Amino acid sequence: EEQLVESGGALVQPGGSLRLSCVASGFTFNDFPMYWARQTPGKGLEYVSAIDHEGGKNTFYATSVAGRFIISRDSSTNTVYLQMGSLRTEDTAVYYCARRYCGSGRCHASDVWGQGTLVTVS
Amino acid sequence: EIVMTQSPALLSVSPGERATLSCRASRSLSNLAWYQQKVGQAPRLLIYDGSTRATGIPARFSGSGSGTEFTLTISSLQSEDFAVYYCQQYNSWPFTFGQGTNLEIK
Repeated sequence: EEQLVESGGALVQPGGSLRLSCVASGFTFNDFPMYWARQTPGKGLEYVSAIDHEGGKNTFYATSVAGRFIISRDSSTNTVYLQMGSLRTEDTAVYYCARRYCGSGRCHASDVWGQGTLVTVS
Repeated sequence: EIVMTQSPALLSVSPGERATLSCRASRSLSNLAWYQQKVGQAPRLLIYDGSTRATGIPARFSGSGSGTEFTLTISSLQSEDFAVYYCQQYNSWPFTFGQGTNLEIK
């Protein structure tokens, strides 16, 4: 079964740091770009960061987190990370890890999602 | 950033009836997905590339549209279909979601 399991969510003070982890299983991790998205009742769903499957050479960030968050991946442990710094109250959300589906030479939407991990900045 | 707007925000439909959900993009795109989300769960991919059903998605779910106007149709609502539905574009980064349509039992 293709699966993503996030961990690392916690209560943290404004200005603090946190690292989220997402362990993948059941598929060839190196074949897929990986994403972090977050969800709040007020702002809805938002993709915050992405990393390609080509050794993680290319990374992308939402404007709201650029310069504060860093995404990375480790193929030896099938893990994608989100290092979060200078946290703000507005970063409070459930954070999801997601796989971007790629097939037949193209990449599409996110077809596998983790269960989410709660980050509270207060 | 491409802005996605969904309508209506709340849709009340009886089981067995058809539901039609709309999504508008602020500019033309071809890479459009639909997700279903139930309380306490992660989003579930239903449709990608505007009209292709994801693996395991029943045929009663169909996507259509092009350019800036897209539609998700659920042909005969089952009890398990009542949930929140989101459209999402993956034409250009940042990928963006609509604000959701809450499909409730009438």
